[in-house]
Amino acid sequence: GAVVSQHPSWVICKSGTSVKIECRSLDFQATTMFWYRQFPKQSLMLMATSNEGSKATYEQGVEKDKFLINHASLTLSTLTVTSAHPEDSSFYICSANPQGGNEQFFGPGTRLTVL
Amino acid sequence: QKEVEQDPGPLSVPEGAIVSLNCTYSNSAFQYFMWYRQYSRKGPELLMYTYSSGNKEDGRFTAQVDKSSKYISLFIRDSQPSDSATYLCAMKRTGGFKTIFGAGTRLFVKA
Repeated sequence: GAVVSQHPSWVICKSGTSVKIECRSLDFQATTMFWYRQFPKQSLMLMATSNEGSKATYEQGVEKDKFLINHASLTLSTLTVTSAHPEDSSFYICSANPQGGNEQFFGPGTRLTVL
Repeated sequence: QKEVEQDPGPLSVPEGAIVSLNCTYSNSAFQYFMWYRQYSRKGPELLMYTYSSGNKEDGRFTAQVDKSSKYISLFIRDSQPSDSATYLCAMKRTGGFKTIFGAGTRLFVKA
């Protein structure tokens, strides 16, 4: 149980295009999902917290207009990187909290490369 | 001072050794403690989840929480090369929204 999927697992795009990453909790409902960014050999950096049916809460320094988050249902959150640039290239990981639970379960991550 | 401190390593041990990984924290309100394992280019995987102080054992893994010292540990017995990964401690307070992660310790188990 407690499986979180992400799609796509990797994506290469041209500078200026937008990329959407999906995060799904497969066997549980998640009122809260989190989006992280991770650079090589560095720890997780929380970007934003998304709650089903409401606006996401962004961490300081994260541009909300650039990283659009939608949490449309209790099992799906999406992150859209708008007008991507090479500096946005990174490993993006989502996680989800089961309803009433305190553990976070992580997706496998999405590697984004912007050319 | 960071809320959670974790030595990034790397820590290199021979196969079969007992590994001790540790984190210290400053916020006494933390009640939920977790250890995650992350392989390169993969998402973190939840290994252990404990509430408040005490020990918890699962196979070769033992998690310890000492709230009086604000110190948590993960022990790996009979370490294997497949245990080579980054181990992240994490903690959360009751009613809290966010989980606070340590920087992660890179572990190498040599065959």
